[in-house]
Amino acid sequence: DTGVSQDPRHKITKRGQNVTFRCDPISEHNRLYWYRQTLGQGPEFLTYFQNEAQLEKSRLLSDRFSAERPKGSFSTLEIQRTEQGDSAMYLCASSTTTGAYEQYFGPGTRLTVT
Amino acid sequence: AQRVTQPEKLLSVFKGAPVELKCNYSYSGSPELFWYVQYSRQRLQLLLRHISRESIKGFTADLNKGETSFHLKKPFAQEEDSAMYYCALSYNTDKLIFGTGTRLQVFP
Repeated sequence: DTGVSQDPRHKITKRGQNVTFRCDPISEHNRLYWYRQTLGQGPEFLTYFQNEAQLEKSRLLSDRFSAERPKGSFSTLEIQRTEQGDSAMYLCASSTTTGAYEQYFGPGTRLTVT
Repeated sequence: AQRVTQPEKLLSVFKGAPVELKCNYSYSGSPELFWYVQYSRQRLQLLLRHISRESIKGFTADLNKGETSFHLKKPFAQEEDSAMYYCALSYNTDKLIFGTGTRLQVFP
């Protein structure tokens, strides 16, 4: 297990298109988090799952955003009708429930909306 | 609302000099505080957390509830410490709330 992985690493899309990102957490981790990071800012929380249950969503997550973790393993984050303001680095992290203090981050997916 | 403030975007020091990266937080309860670090071309990783009260790579951080601060310190900076440092807060052991980060540059 090489840690949290994300795919793709980079995505360029035109405004109005839909995009989907995938995150594979560390195998024994049952918590999975999505964050978004824009230039000059720290990561901002979007949503998180415990197993397949989505337990919290940020107000940053508009109706155009949806996240799933159908089998409690990998997760997908979909953005519909992308806007230029969606351009950012999307980070995934995972942790165990106990010792949930340490989150292990993936390399991120950089989205550019033209 | 919960917030983490890192007042310095950039901190430049020479090798061997002491380093202090400032972090202040706002939260009325008892938060968990962390420092995460991102080295060039690497992913974000945990450096240390206040509950552990440990020293990692020579760095320490003390939680001061009276001043609501969690400053990161190292007595003698090394060139390999150059990185982006983020202070983060967590409560109810779930999401992290990050500051905007401080870039530490250590010159030879």
